[in-house]
Amino acid sequence: AQSVTQPDIHITVSEGASLELRCNYSYGATPYLFWYVQSPGQGLQLLLKYFSGDTLVQGIKGFEAEFKRSQSSFNLRKPSVHWSDAAEYFCAVAFSGGYNKLIFGAGTRLAVHP
Amino acid sequence: DGGITQSPKYLFRKEGQNVTLSCEQNLNHDAMYWYRQDPGQGLRLIYYSQIVNDFQKGDIAEGYSVSREKKESFPLTVTSAQKNPTAFYLCASSIKQGDEQFFGPGTRLTVL
Repeated sequence: AQSVTQPDIHITVSEGASLELRCNYSYGATPYLFWYVQSPGQGLQLLLKYFSGDTLVQGIKGFEAEFKRSQSSFNLRKPSVHWSDAAEYFCAVAFSGGYNKLIFGAGTRLAVHP
Repeated sequence: DGGITQSPKYLFRKEGQNVTLSCEQNLNHDAMYWYRQDPGQGLRLIYYSQIVNDFQKGDIAEGYSVSREKKESFPLTVTSAQKNPTAFYLCASSIKQGDEQFFGPGTRLTVL
């Protein structure tokens, strides 16, 4: 079955430290890949997306993600975290075929220490 | 400004009552979606609509109903048949299926 896994439920980093949030998917072909961010009680905002081409994707707020086909991964990175980055992050994958359903991972909650 | 609006932000209902959540978009998107979000479970798809007057069940449609009479509107009714309706409900839209989805601010429904 198609699935998206975010192995880390909670991550805590210090302000200024680097960040990597993991995302793995289970699917035979290359899907469309997305990272969204959600502040408490708010909707989701798109950080970046990958459809094809360069496997290193730049997004908003200084985030980037790298698609690695061999590992079925799409990890989100940021070189220096700011306190305002504290939020919940969701990886999402659209699998082709059918109606291109978007499947979300369970999310990773990021806390940032001053 | 283009975007998606959901109303109300907070909604309280007594058990056994039906309640309708509003979702409106002025992005001229064909596809619209309803998700339910519970702590630790990510987003689960309730219903989606690819075009006006058409909608399909998602993964957890039982106890919910929708309509799509206008392109910009996709209201969700939580019926008394939904056994555990207290949750955060998110509406989204996209130009077409499979494209990036734009989300509304959500409605938190609490059934007392």
